[in-house]
Amino acid sequence: GQNIDQPTEMTATEGAIVQINCTYQTSGFNGLFWYQQHAGEAPTFLSYNVLDGLEEKGRFSSFLSRSKGYSYLLLKELQMKDSASYLCAVSSGGSYIPTFGRGTSLIVHP
Amino acid sequence: GAGVSQTPSNKVTEKGKYVELRCDPISGHTALYWYRQSLGQGPEFLIYFQGTGAADDSGLPNDRFFAVRPEGSVSTLKIQRTERGDSAVYLCASSLTLAGGGTDTQYFGPGTRLTVL
Repeated sequence: GQNIDQPTEMTATEGAIVQINCTYQTSGFNGLFWYQQHAGEAPTFLSYNVLDGLEEKGRFSSFLSRSKGYSYLLLKELQMKDSASYLCAVSSGGSYIPTFGRGTSLIVHP
Repeated sequence: GAGVSQTPSNKVTEKGKYVELRCDPISGHTALYWYRQSLGQGPEFLIYFQGTGAADDSGLPNDRFFAVRPEGSVSTLKIQRTERGDSAVYLCASSLTLAGGGTDTQYFGPGTRLTVL
């Protein structure tokens, strides 16, 4: 099985930078996803990391270290609309089915 | 283009009743997934279809749950003898299948909120 751990809740100030960590234990690692989910809505794709290192996409960046079983999502220039749950999901094994963590609820305040 | 659609958006039923939840994936996506999500939790995998066949149904909690995808497009999740513990949001996702055998990014539908009274 897989064990995915991420903080339950984080708060940050508008305009600031926040880092959401995710640690995982798995065998047959394929890749790691980050999704954003606003309350009452479906998850939407943010990033997919297969290789070690940092991938930047606008205000959002995602980092992966496969040897450490660790990833983080970095959000810059926070906006109020970034208040949402951020889900870390790991794909492993032959079926490539992502397993999701519990999500980190990010609250951005003025 | 059209995204993943799910119907109904909300379903309220009584304990012991039968329900069907429908998912219409993005056109051309051969991979289809069902998840369920309880409040404060991440999506929990239920079943995965590759075309018409269930490639992995290891997440179905028991034999009251069943899903079909007879023509490789629309899928129906069926729950018999519903229990209060089945109350959750049922999410459907679809993706392309990659040439190497893996699947591409999942695109989720808006979900069906099931409430069992």
